[in-house]
Amino acid sequence: ETGVTQSPTHLIKTRGQQVTLRCSSQSGHNTVSWYQQALGQGPQFIFQYYREEENGRGNFPPRFSGLQFPNYSSELNVNALELDDSALYLCASRIGLAGGNTGELFFGEGSRLTVL
Amino acid sequence: AQTVTQSQPEMSVQEAETVTLSCTYDTSESDYYLFWYKQPPSRQMILVIRQEAYKQQNATENRFSVNFQKAAKSFSLKISDSQLGDAAMYFCAYRRQTGNQFYFGTGTSLTVIP
Repeated sequence: ETGVTQSPTHLIKTRGQQVTLRCSSQSGHNTVSWYQQALGQGPQFIFQYYREEENGRGNFPPRFSGLQFPNYSSELNVNALELDDSALYLCASRIGLAGGNTGELFFGEGSRLTVL
Repeated sequence: AQTVTQSQPEMSVQEAETVTLSCTYDTSESDYYLFWYKQPPSRQMILVIRQEAYKQQNATENRFSVNFQKAAKSFSLKISDSQLGDAAMYFCAYRRQTGNQFYFGTGTSLTVIP
């Protein structure tokens, strides 16, 4: 069974640039969530995708966008990068939607983004 | 809004001893799930233990157990017979039964002293 994989592991961008982060969900998982973890903080929910549609969104501006592909892999795109976007971006996958099960999340190792 | 509070930024424990990490949460829901996740320096978050709010019995997973006090909205994690590999950041998390979003606390950094 393949776990959640993310790429790249580290990257450096400058303010105003755009970035795309990628995630392959765990085998058999059709739901992918993205979280932002700033230094010294807990993860903050960005959004979730289920069957290629956004299925929930946290308090993040529209310049944070995403995609989910038919194979359930996902991308997180961030436009017009700001210094405060520097963080660890975590992808997590699970089976199905909320309700009926605990919906345990399986996390990748994250992509560390530094914005200069 | 749901909030999760971990009031202990750092904790330490002697190897083979027991330590308890605290977590409180705020919710008006009656059905929800609670989790403890471990994040070692490798960064990958790993589920330690989970608790369904409708279950009165405290969850246990080997050396890890919880003390779930629903009325007090408290969900502490007890680690028995601590091992060096337990050293990590521990996050408490909450999810509504019908919600998509996990709410995480700010974490507790656990050091295990040999």
